[in-house]
Amino acid sequence: GEDVEQSLFLSVREGDSSVINCTYTDSSSTYLYWYKQEPGAGLQLLTYIFSNMDMKQDQRLTVLLNKKDKHLSLRIADTQTGDSAIYFCAESLGGYQKVTFGIGTKLQVIP
Amino acid sequence: DSGVTQTPKHLITATGQRVTLRCSPRSGDLSVYWYQQSLDQGLQFLIQYYNGEERAKGNILERFSAQQFPDLHSELNLSSLELGDSALYFCASSSLDRVGKTGELFFGEGSRLTVL
Repeated sequence: GEDVEQSLFLSVREGDSSVINCTYTDSSSTYLYWYKQEPGAGLQLLTYIFSNMDMKQDQRLTVLLNKKDKHLSLRIADTQTGDSAIYFCAESLGGYQKVTFGIGTKLQVIP
Repeated sequence: DSGVTQTPKHLITATGQRVTLRCSPRSGDLSVYWYQQSLDQGLQFLIQYYNGEERAKGNILERFSAQQFPDLHSELNLSSLELGDSALYFCASSSLDRVGKTGELFFGEGSRLTVL
C-alpha cells in the first residue's frame, strides 16, 4: 500500500543545515517530490527525484534517496528564516495520476 | 501566485448543511485535483478530473461529490456536514491527465471550512 511518513517538527538555527526525512512504503513509486507550504498559501513544488537516482542537487537543496530503505531526505544548506514553512514529501505511483503526500514537517528557523 | 483560484477562502457552517467549493484551474490546465488537509491526517487526495471526466478517486466520502464543467472550473460539493469535515480543502491543477515526470501540481490557496 501507499503511505508516506514524516516527522512533524524540526527546529534549526539560521545558517545551519536542515535535514528533513521521509519514508515511503510503496516500492513501485516512480517519482518522489518535496513540496513547500508557506503560511496561508498552497503547496509549491520544490524539487523532485526519479526513483532510479540516488541524489539530486539544486542550489541549496540536496535530495537523497535510499531505495533499499525507502528513505528520502531533503537537506537545506545555510537555512534562512524564509525557509520556515511546512515541507511535504510526496510520491507518485506508476500511473502518475495520483500524488500521495506525507503529513508535512514544520521547519522553524531560529534567527 | 499559482494561477489557481479557489473560492470561498473561508466558510463557516453548521452540521448537517451542504456547501460548494469552487476552483478555477490555471489557464490551459485540463486536470483538477481536490485535496483535504487536516491536522491529524495531513493532505488526503480526494478526486481528480481531466477535461470534464473523473480520472482518479481517493479517500472521498460518499457525502462528497465533485464535477468539472466545460469551462474547466470544478466544484466540490460537501453535504450532511459533520464536525470532522472541518479542514482546508485544496484544489490543484496540472496540464496533463497525469501528473507527469515533474510532479508539478499547482495549488490554490485553499478553502478553509469550519463546521460548528
